[in-house]
Amino acid sequence: DIQMTQSPSSLSASVGDRVTISCRASQSIDRYLNWYQQKPGTAPKLLIYAASTLQRGVPSRFSGSGSGTDFTLTISSLQPEDFATYYCQQTYGDRTFGQGTKVEVK
Amino acid sequence: EVRLVESGGGLVQPGGSLRLSCEASGFTFDTYEVNWVRQAAGKGLEWVSHISDSGRSTYYRDSVQGRFTIARDNAKNSLYLQMTSLRVEDTAVYYCARGRLTFGGVIYFDYWGQGTLVTVSS
Repeated sequence: DIQMTQSPSSLSASVGDRVTISCRASQSIDRYLNWYQQKPGTAPKLLIYAASTLQRGVPSRFSGSGSGTDFTLTISSLQPEDFATYYCQQTYGDRTFGQGTKVEVK
Repeated sequence: EVRLVESGGGLVQPGGSLRLSCEASGFTFDTYEVNWVRQAAGKGLEWVSHISDSGRSTYYRDSVQGRFTIARDNAKNSLYLQMTSLRVEDTAVYYCARGRLTFGGVIYFDYWGQGTLVTVSS
């Protein structure tokens, strides 16, 4: 089974900060990598698919990069509505999620 | 508007059974795979199972293989998850999610339901 490891597990940031979240796969997954945002009490929301394609309606401050085993989600300028938990997901094998990264107010 | 609405959650004793449903609308249901994803309180997302658009192929995470059965009725635009031999560790909110396929073959979950809570406790 393919394991997904996100880092960090949590981070503290301020509005306007540039935020970077990493996701590493236990084996190469090409670009079969998606990113989701989840706020408390709500369903996850798709942000980016196929490593770097922005889902329609998602602000351009979100971007994704990487291929193979190492991937990154970047928020260029953190906004108040971006405080949430972010998950990566591989769909190369089954559909494994990373453990999540909580972005908190500094 | 694409909608996925789960139902069927509730309280069940360990060893018991429960059937979840997910009713889809706003899209051509039989052209998409659909998935079940769960989330225990305060924990991360855990993929549970998925079924192909035709229903001919099904996949499960190891911990539910042999206990859970995913099925779909394309005539009713509905997805199901039959859960048997339930364990305390199956307690979670269960979401259904539509899987969309890119031209390059990448599957991603573009629409999710609101979730239904399953509690396994004596």
